[in-house]
Amino acid sequence: DTEVTQTPKHLVMGMTNKKSLKCEQHMGHRAMYWYKQKAKKPPELMFVYSYEKLSINESVPSRFSPECPNSSLLNLHLHALQPEDSALYLCASSGAGGYNEQFFGPGTRLTVL
Amino acid sequence: ELKVEQNPLFLSMQEGKNYTIYCNYSTTSDRLYWYRQDPGKSLESLFVLLSNGAVKQEGRLMASLDTKARLSTLHITAAVHDLSATYFCAVDSTFGTDKLIFGTGTRLQVFP
Repeated sequence: DTEVTQTPKHLVMGMTNKKSLKCEQHMGHRAMYWYKQKAKKPPELMFVYSYEKLSINESVPSRFSPECPNSSLLNLHLHALQPEDSALYLCASSGAGGYNEQFFGPGTRLTVL
Repeated sequence: ELKVEQNPLFLSMQEGKNYTIYCNYSTTSDRLYWYRQDPGKSLESLFVLLSNGAVKQEGRLMASLDTKARLSTLHITAAVHDLSATYFCAVDSTFGTDKLIFGTGTRLQVFP
């Protein structure tokens, strides 16, 4: 299996809702990432997990809460989001081969009303 | 702080023509990656360049890396419409930190 999967593909939520994004990879990669991408902009790093431990948090607001239950799974829990959080959320993984080529999932298109 | 700049930001080119996208970065790094993104889609890894002088080719695309000049190029040969997409370069921020710094992106549009 050489892909990263993400669910759901689309998500619409209100500002008081709680939802979760899910990401899975079965490539044996040691690192997993969450990115946020706005239209016509490069991906913006949010979190990095390495060997299931949070290694980078790019000063992301606490309404975004990551979780890494095991080496294949990565979740992003969402609570009390703002309309400006609407974006494409990308998961990626890397780690085979000793360099940082990242493989991206298809993304979740999030709309906050 | 590592900065990665691409130019041009937008490129409209005719089918059959050649062109080059440039990626400049501000600090020492010998690892550079090129990605492609179609509208509304995710990023697809195109090339991994791991040393000075590295050159990789796939179809009509060729990427190269000059670590001394802190420059990578993505050359397009005889462009076709299917190459229309946004292209990002990315650089390892610091060896061993897992963080990639992405360039601004170049939106390529190929017309007949």
